[in-house]
Amino acid sequence: DQQVKQNSPSLSVQEGRISILNCDYTNSMFDYFLWYKKYPAEGPTFLISISSIKDKNEDGRFTVFLNKSAKHLSLHIVPSQPGDSAVYFCAATSNSGNTPLVFGKGTRLSVIA
Amino acid sequence: DTGVSQDPRHKITKRGQNVTFRCDPISEHNRLYWYRQTLGQGPEFLTYFQNEAQLEKSRLLSDRFSAERPKGSFSTLEIQRTEQGDSAMYLCASSRLAPFRDRLGPLSYEQYFGPGTRLTVT
Repeated sequence: DQQVKQNSPSLSVQEGRISILNCDYTNSMFDYFLWYKKYPAEGPTFLISISSIKDKNEDGRFTVFLNKSAKHLSLHIVPSQPGDSAVYFCAATSNSGNTPLVFGKGTRLSVIA
Repeated sequence: DTGVSQDPRHKITKRGQNVTFRCDPISEHNRLYWYRQTLGQGPEFLTYFQNEAQLEKSRLLSDRFSAERPKGSFSTLEIQRTEQGDSAMYLCASSRLAPFRDRLGPLSYEQYFGPGTRLTVT
């Protein structure tokens, strides 16, 4: 049973608009969440993270929102740029980061110029 | 900061052969993780080390797989008697011991990944 779910395999957005990527989790023990970006033939690159003690974390064009009651998080990218086109993975860990990451299957974002 | 490096980047082998992959973590990181990624899936945890101690192994890690981290620096992942189902991208990641506090105070924890080794078993 998948503990971290990304239900949208792909998303297309026009350049300059907002991209919203969603992630749901089932394990209540998860307390730290991360987003990674992956280009083909490369390893995942860390993007942004959020602790369960927060409901929002922002870094430049990237904002992650966490709704613990709904066990849902989302990544907002605004404005979207063609270089943002990649696969985005949501990941979760527990015990304040002392357990291995559990990843979703990823969402492929295409930003169209 | 040279990042996490992995060698080789690509490996093609025949079924039944043994293969070994190497990972060099970020120098100040004492945790090292191995993950495997197949097409259409996210990375799946295989095993991890804290310094030289192997702390956890996934059920995905069959008896044909073995990992070592002598002296708590680089790590090797060996697959014996490879099978076609072993074809995947093998990813290594490293991190500081979590959690740690940055200068701003909040807890933070990230794993940094290497470029991966693409294994093809024919």
